[in-house]
Amino acid sequence: KQEVTQIPAALSVPEGENLVLNCSFTDSAIYNLQWFRQDPGKGLTSLLLIQSSQREQTSGRLNASLDKSSGRSTLYIAASQPGDSATYLCAVRYSGYSTLTFGKGTMLLVSP
Amino acid sequence: DAGVIQSPRHEVTEMGQEVTLRCKPISGHDYLFWYRQTMMRGLELLIYFNNNVPIDDSGMPEDRFSAKMPNASFSTLKIQPSEPRDSAVYFCASSPNRGELFFGEGSRLTVL
Repeated sequence: KQEVTQIPAALSVPEGENLVLNCSFTDSAIYNLQWFRQDPGKGLTSLLLIQSSQREQTSGRLNASLDKSSGRSTLYIAASQPGDSATYLCAVRYSGYSTLTFGKGTMLLVSP
Repeated sequence: DAGVIQSPRHEVTEMGQEVTLRCKPISGHDYLFWYRQTMMRGLELLIYFNNNVPIDDSGMPEDRFSAKMPNASFSTLKIQPSEPRDSAVYFCASSPNRGELFFGEGSRLTVL
């Protein structure tokens, strides 16, 4: 069964810390992987999309990496801010599928 | 582009009533997805369309749920009759072929 796992389920850090969110998937035959952010009561906002041929993608203070052989992706957030507090979801599009398989998310709290 | 547009944003109805949720995907996207999100189950895929044709509706929980996409710019998700256990946030999302997925803000449904 194709699954996506995110650890930890929740994370609390003080402002200014660099942090890493983890995402693991069960099948290395993926087409792409997408990281989303969800604020309470809001929809999911796309942060980064990594194609299977790529190793990483960067957007501002965010950097996402992809290691297909180990079935892992990480989302690195530099110099965290209280405004980064949200739930972060990882989603994998496995090869041959048009749909994404979502992880359950990591709830991040950055305290001032 | 205005992004994926959903309406209504909030709906409160009584058990047994018909509920219709609406979605306008991003222009040019040929895939449209309906998701449901609850605290207990997380994000669940209900149905998705490709070029206005339903491809996989295996996630639709019961015959009470139906979805249509009469044209490339409009889709509906209908629940008839509604039940309290249908209370959730319903998201519509669209993407180009195997591309980045974009979500609407969601429709929060409460069935009393």
